[in-house]
Amino acid sequence: EAGVAQSPRYKIIEKRQSVAFWCNPISGHATLYWYQQILGQGPKLLIQFQNNGVVDDSQLPKDRFSAERLKGVDSTLKIQPAKLEDSAVYLCASNPLGSSYEQYFGPGTRLTVT
Amino acid sequence: AQSVTQLGSHVSVSEGALVLLRCNYSSSVPPYLFWYVQYPNQGLQLLLKYTTGATLVKGINGFEAEFKKSETSFHLTKPSAHMSDAAEYFCAVSDLSGGNKLVFGAGTILRVKS
Repeated sequence: EAGVAQSPRYKIIEKRQSVAFWCNPISGHATLYWYQQILGQGPKLLIQFQNNGVVDDSQLPKDRFSAERLKGVDSTLKIQPAKLEDSAVYLCASNPLGSSYEQYFGPGTRLTVT
Repeated sequence: AQSVTQLGSHVSVSEGALVLLRCNYSSSVPPYLFWYVQYPNQGLQLLLKYTTGATLVKGINGFEAEFKKSETSFHLTKPSAHMSDAAEYFCAVSDLSGGNKLVFGAGTILRVKS
């Protein structure tokens, strides 16, 4: 089965610009997650969707970050405007319902804000 | 609130030597515990997980981990290191009180010397 797909793999932008990342989870996986991984740290959950509804966005900086999963399949994470501290790898993960919490991760998008 | 502490941000072993990566967790309810591995420029790959049942868990690539409730630990071991084991390893915890959310440690970079 195909894994979690993410694009782009790399992105360089200037501060105050906007950027969007795309994720396509494994087919049939109801739950989708976006994590932020800053260099030298473990991934931190930004937002969790179940189908097209938000389950947890408590750590999403809502003044600049937004995410959607309109049809309960693929998802987009947007940053507008970007700050230097947003430089990180953005990981998307998915899992089916009742999977004992195992999550399957995509390759990530490395964002550099200059 | 859940938390994970990984002792040692860098661990160096000789090829053929024992690998021991330490993980301690904090959780108010019975946890689910995971070890993930991340190779450069790649996403996270699940090595092994503990949910319920046997406390000694075997994973891929010869790794295993033991859940010790009394010590709140879930250390990762491998009897004999290979050069291909060089990567970053993350311990993570999840439980019902936190939904499906994974809380990660800061990671341990494993270096294998020839």
